Amino acid sequence: AQTVTQSQPEMSVQEAETVTLSCTYDTSENNYYLFWYKQPPSRQMILVIRQEAYKQQNATENRFSVNFQKAAKSFSLKISDSQLGDTAMYFCAFMKQGAGSYQLTFGKGTKLSVIP
Amino acid sequence: EPEVTQTPSHQVTQMGQEVILRCVPISNHLYFYWYRQILGQKVEFLVSFYNNEISEKSEIFDDQFSVERPDGSNFTLKIRSTKLEDSAMYFCASKAGTGTPLHFGNGTRLTVT
Repeated sequence: AQTVTQSQPEMSVQEAETVTLSCTYDTSENNYYLFWYKQPPSRQMILVIRQEAYKQQNATENRFSVNFQKAAKSFSLKISDSQLGDTAMYFCAFMKQGAGSYQLTFGKGTKLSVIP
Repeated sequence: EPEVTQTPSHQVTQMGQEVILRCVPISNHLYFYWYRQILGQKVEFLVSFYNNEISEKSEIFDDQFSVERPDGSNFTLKIRSTKLEDSAMYFCASKAGTGTPLHFGNGTRLTVT
């Protein structure tokens, strides 16, 4: 079974600054995917960024980038130039790779507040 | 951009009543899921559905839960006899194929009184 750990229940950052959210995971799988989802106060789940474990290059998506360290089983999210709209819960998630309807396993989330 | 649609957005029901939560996944998606999130807690997997049958279910998904894809578009979650502890946000999700990300609906907030 996979586990995902987010050790920072809450974080805050000043608008326009950079913040990094931590995530570690535990798995015996070699091939898998990692995701960051954002949940604003409206409570919808929005995909932020995705990383394939077989890719060494870190994924980036505009102001969002990840630092993927496979050996350390670490997958942190960096948000640059933070904006007020980034205020949300952020969930790290793991999914096995393969021909199956594999589910996402989520961490407990980090509540990020962007301060004007 | 196509999206997963869930109805209703909020459902209030009395303990012991049956509820059906409805979802319309993205049209070309093949895999369907239900997750729930109790207020203040993490998102938990309930069940996955592929090729007209359940492919995986969690311990939470006991006999009071069932899923159905009655036609080519809807995907429903039924809770037969609701309990107070079933109060949560229920998310439907779908994905196109293996390795593709899950797309979530906006959720149904279920309140059991």
